[in-house]
Amino acid sequence: SAVISQKPSRDICQRGTSLTIQCQVDSQVTMMFWYRQQPGQSLTLIATANQGSEATYESGFVIDKFPISRPNLTFSTLTVSNLSPEDSSIYLCSVEATSGAFLYNEQFFGPGTRLTVL
Amino acid sequence: GQQLNQSPQSMFIQEGEDVSMNCTSSSIFNTWLWYKQEPGEGPVLLIALYKAGELTSNGRLTAQFGITRKDSFLNISASIPSDVGIYFCAGPNFGNEKLTFGTGTRLTIIP
Repeated sequence: SAVISQKPSRDICQRGTSLTIQCQVDSQVTMMFWYRQQPGQSLTLIATANQGSEATYESGFVIDKFPISRPNLTFSTLTVSNLSPEDSSIYLCSVEATSGAFLYNEQFFGPGTRLTVL
Repeated sequence: GQQLNQSPQSMFIQEGEDVSMNCTSSSIFNTWLWYKQEPGEGPVLLIALYKAGELTSNGRLTAQFGITRKDSFLNISASIPSDVGIYFCAGPNFGNEKLTFGTGTRLTIIP
């Protein structure tokens, strides 16, 4: 399966600032996804990021707050803008990729970025 | 939209005990996935189920795709300390690759 890295692994930010999270994959993938995991909660999809087109956002998430870039097939960034304490969460990227362990392409996740907003 | 409810929400068990957890849906899924998330890490895919009634094992883990396609269970036999974590079921939304995640089951092993 694909090896996915995220930077930073964690950050503490002040209210009103922005944080850009990077996601790097060791192979070319078509589908990349960004998720949010609020403290003690499950994962919620923010948006789907495909190379060459604008990201597709889920209900409740907007581009002004969560701008996404996808410049090539191995890299994406998610920016969380105008931070407030409610944005404190783990942000995870995932990719759809092949693994010999599974019959079809499945989603594999990066280690996450833990954001704390003061 | 689709919802996946997992039970129990949390489990506290002794090392060596067997574990059983399940996931139910308000609608039909064509694929069921089981992920495990350890502290500070992203979810890791454990098992994928593709057919109603399918029973699949991965080491000490066994999962089944319910006949109604609205539920799945995951069993862990002879639990060990490294089984600690949160287990999530997930399934793709009908017609696309987007995943809906369950509410999670937190497993704690008592020494």
